[in-house]
Amino acid sequence: GAGVSQSPSNKVTEKGKDVELRCDPISGHTALYWYRQSLGQGLEFLIYFQGNSAPDKSGLPSDRFSAERTGGSVSTLTIQRTQQEDSAVYLCASSEGTGAFPGNTIYFGEGSWLTVV
Amino acid sequence: TQLLEQSPQFLSIQEGENLTVYCNSSSVFSSLQWYRQEPGEGPVLLVTVVTGGEVKKLKRLTFQFGDARKDSSLHITAAQPGDTGLYLCAGAPPTGTASKLTFGTGTRLQVTL
Repeated sequence: GAGVSQSPSNKVTEKGKDVELRCDPISGHTALYWYRQSLGQGLEFLIYFQGNSAPDKSGLPSDRFSAERTGGSVSTLTIQRTQQEDSAVYLCASSEGTGAFPGNTIYFGEGSWLTVV
Repeated sequence: TQLLEQSPQFLSIQEGENLTVYCNSSSVFSSLQWYRQEPGEGPVLLVTVVTGGEVKKLKRLTFQFGDARKDSSLHITAAQPGDTGLYLCAGAPPTGTASKLTFGTGTRLQVTL
């Protein structure tokens, strides 16, 4: 596709349920990122994938959060036993590589808005 | 942990006014980016500044990177309603993964007629 695609765009779930959020990056982009944005706030880094390297999971807030990237393309962010504080917009982004800026531009998807009730 | 504080948090101005948004940190960044985000969309890159003291202009927007590469400012001249949105600065670390960005707290700008 032309841009980063995320699904679902909106998800309402009950506390304690598991959710999966999907990200389809721009074709050919080797780097993929997940960020979390609380209402009207800045972005919080969650996890980063680069090619076949081990992902950088340093931003995941708890062991209820996990992510995988299959075939170097599509990624799924899974939140187990959701809590109300997990409510946020989950943004996926991709870039051609991980080189220094300005040569490497990150493109964001529109996000998945998660509400835990 | 690198932190980026933006000020002001909220700004409501009338069309034609000038404004400046600040992005400050005690940490050094290898480069700094500014994004604009509109409701229901992801952030979109406006500019990247790399060199300390660098000034870049994008039409009515002027971006400056501090000499010590710890802070930045965004100045908008003659603001228009189309400038409305959430402005985010983001810094790239001096070591490690270059594209693992630290985002600022955001400045929400509203420009009215």
